[in-house]
Amino acid sequence: EVQLVESGGGLVQPGGSLRLSCAASGFTFSNYAMSWVRQAPGKGLEWVSASTLGGGGGTTYYADSVKGRFTISRDNSKNTLYLQMNSLRADDTAVYYCAKDSTDFYGYFDYWGQGTLVTVSS
Amino acid sequence: DIVMTQSPDSLAVSLGERATINCKSSQSVLYSSNNKNFLAWYQQKPGQPPKLLIYWASTRESGVPDRFSGSGSGTDFTLTISSLQAEDVAVYYCQQYYTTPYTFGQGTKLEIK
Repeated sequence: EVQLVESGGGLVQPGGSLRLSCAASGFTFSNYAMSWVRQAPGKGLEWVSASTLGGGGGTTYYADSVKGRFTISRDNSKNTLYLQMNSLRADDTAVYYCAKDSTDFYGYFDYWGQGTLVTVSS
Repeated sequence: DIVMTQSPDSLAVSLGERATINCKSSQSVLYSSNNKNFLAWYQQKPGQPPKLLIYWASTRESGVPDRFSGSGSGTDFTLTISSLQAEDVAVYYCQQYYTTPYTFGQGTKLEIK
């Protein structure tokens, strides 16, 4: 059974940093692209970042809203996906979901974690 | 960026009746080399993560009831629930995975009339 468990969310002041983790199990983590998707309170879904296996060695992608502030990474030996979030702003407040892509590159999201809440506030 | 626009924003349908949600992309998500539309539909119930319903515009995910169907190609897509059940109350999102940034529609809230 595929499981994705996010952790690391919490309350942080504007300008602060936070690192999210997503522990994966039930599938061969190193064979699939992974993404972070967020949802602000009462709002829709926004894709944040992807870690793909395409391009020969793996490629990362970011939404313009987080480029230069967020960094996605993965540790295939630990089956874990990360999101380092720096220079956090109030509009980064959201539930952050880890999602498994259906392929190693471009794919739909076939499994989602339960999410971890990040609140940016003073 | 590819903009995904859903209509309507909300919808109230009687139990047992058909529900139809539309999704339009600002550019085609049909990949000519494999003739596949890079379009997915998700269902999200309150307090839960999204759940994949449909991918490649019309392929139903395993375990999804056959009352859910997807259609369309290029830039215009439809999610149809043939006979609405109480458990289908949710917000539905379309998403393109043709290119990054992956983008979602704004969501359609489906309720019982």
